[in-house]
Amino acid sequence: GESVGLHLPTLSVQEGDNSIINCAYSNSASDYFIWYKQESGKGPQFIIDIRSNMDKRQGQRVTVLLNKTVKHLSLQIAATQPGDSAVYFCAETEMGITGNQFYFGTGTSLTVIP
Amino acid sequence: GAGVSQSPRYKVAKRGQDVALRCDPISGHVSLFWYQQALGQGPEFLTYFQNEAQLDKSGLPSDRFFAERPEGSVSTLKIQRTQQEDSAVYLCASSFRLTIQETQYFGPGTRLLVL
Repeated sequence: GESVGLHLPTLSVQEGDNSIINCAYSNSASDYFIWYKQESGKGPQFIIDIRSNMDKRQGQRVTVLLNKTVKHLSLQIAATQPGDSAVYFCAETEMGITGNQFYFGTGTSLTVIP
Repeated sequence: GAGVSQSPRYKVAKRGQDVALRCDPISGHVSLFWYQQALGQGPEFLTYFQNEAQLDKSGLPSDRFFAERPEGSVSTLKIQRTQQEDSAVYLCASSFRLTIQETQYFGPGTRLLVL
C-alpha cells in the first residue's frame, strides 16, 4: 500500500533555549485561535488561546503572537524543557459560527535536545 | 476527576468490517466532538453534539460514518464497511458548554487500522 510520510515541519532546540513555532492560517474571518500540544499516543492538550482583538497573549512560559494582516500565528516557548517535546498545532475558528468547529493546522514537531 | 476516555485504544479491522468506537466525556460536559487524525496531520472535525442533539455532522466523510449520543453522555462513532482509508486516530473531545471559549478536553484517541 501507499506509505504515508510524515510531512510535519520539525524544530530542534537545545534545552534552555527559546522556541518559536509558526502557523499560517487561511480563513481571514477566523477570530479565535488556540495552540495545542500533542504528545505521542495522547490527545491534543490546550496550551493558550487568543482572540483576534489582541495581538499578544502571555501564559506561563508561553506567548502567542497574532498578526492578522498576514494571517500568521506564532507560539513562543521560553526556556524550553525536554517535556516540551511534542507536536504543536494551531487551531482556528469563527466565533460567530454556530458550534465550536475548529480547523487544525498540520502541526510542528518540536524536539528538545538535552 | 477523570478526563475524557475512549475505547478501545487500538482496533484492527478487516476491510468491510463494521467498528464502533466509544467516547466517555467528562461528566457534566454538554458538548462532545469527534475528530479524525491521519498520520502526520492535524485533527479534522467530524461531528459534534450538544447533549443528545447532533448539531453538525458536516465533517463525516461518507454515509458509512454514523455517530450517536442517545442519553447526552457517552457517544459512539460507528463506521460501517470499513475501508483502508478509514485508518486513522479517532479523537473525542468534550467541553462544558457550547460557547467558543470553552476549552475542549481531548481523549487519548482510538487508533484504527483497517487491513
